[in-house]
Amino acid sequence: GENVEQHPSTLSVQEGDSAVIKCTYSDSASNYFPWYKQELGKRPQLIIDIRSNVGEKKDQRIAVTLNKTAKHFSLHITETQPEDSAVYFCAATMTTWDWGKLQFGAGTQVVVTP
Amino acid sequence: NAGVTQTPKFQVLKTGQSMTLQCAQDMNHNSMYWYRQDPGMGLRLIYYSASEGTTDKGEVPNGYNVSRLNKREFSLRLESAAPSQTSVYFCASKPAAANTGELFFGEGSRLTVL
Repeated sequence: GENVEQHPSTLSVQEGDSAVIKCTYSDSASNYFPWYKQELGKRPQLIIDIRSNVGEKKDQRIAVTLNKTAKHFSLHITETQPEDSAVYFCAATMTTWDWGKLQFGAGTQVVVTP
Repeated sequence: NAGVTQTPKFQVLKTGQSMTLQCAQDMNHNSMYWYRQDPGMGLRLIYYSASEGTTDKGEVPNGYNVSRLNKREFSLRLESAAPSQTSVYFCASKPAAANTGELFFGEGSRLTVL
């Protein structure tokens, strides 16, 4: 089955700096890679996703890149703000026909200090 | 429009007791999922239901059963709770189309088994 590894487990950045979180996956058939943000005590919420036929996707200050050959994908947050402090989870599909069946990484705690 | 609603939000059980976690969505989604979240392990899929009348096992189904009561409701039952089932449980739903990915999560149910 799919296995997703996520690094780093914690990330401290100064406000205004960039943050990068990296994930690797094992199943070359995986074709959908979402990123979820979870604030303390809240539910996970999708912030960006990418399909396997796309190399990069941007949405304002966040971007995701995908390298299918190397089987890794990354989340980039630019101009970080205190409200970016949260746990971020990457994920990959466990089955190509149901994008709700996800294998999640262990999460990255991002702390943005003013 | 409440989205995905889970009950109860908190529950303490003794080993061997049984209980049912309830989940309901009002977004007319066909697919529903139960995930558990443990520190340092991300979210793991317990069971899912691709459509009304169907259920199937996810990554960690042992010790659980599910019922897709109708299109709106998907319940998770612990028949004989064990301390290893102490976790935060999230219900999620999404539209049926295979290549739509966003999962809509409930607020979570925190379960402690003593």
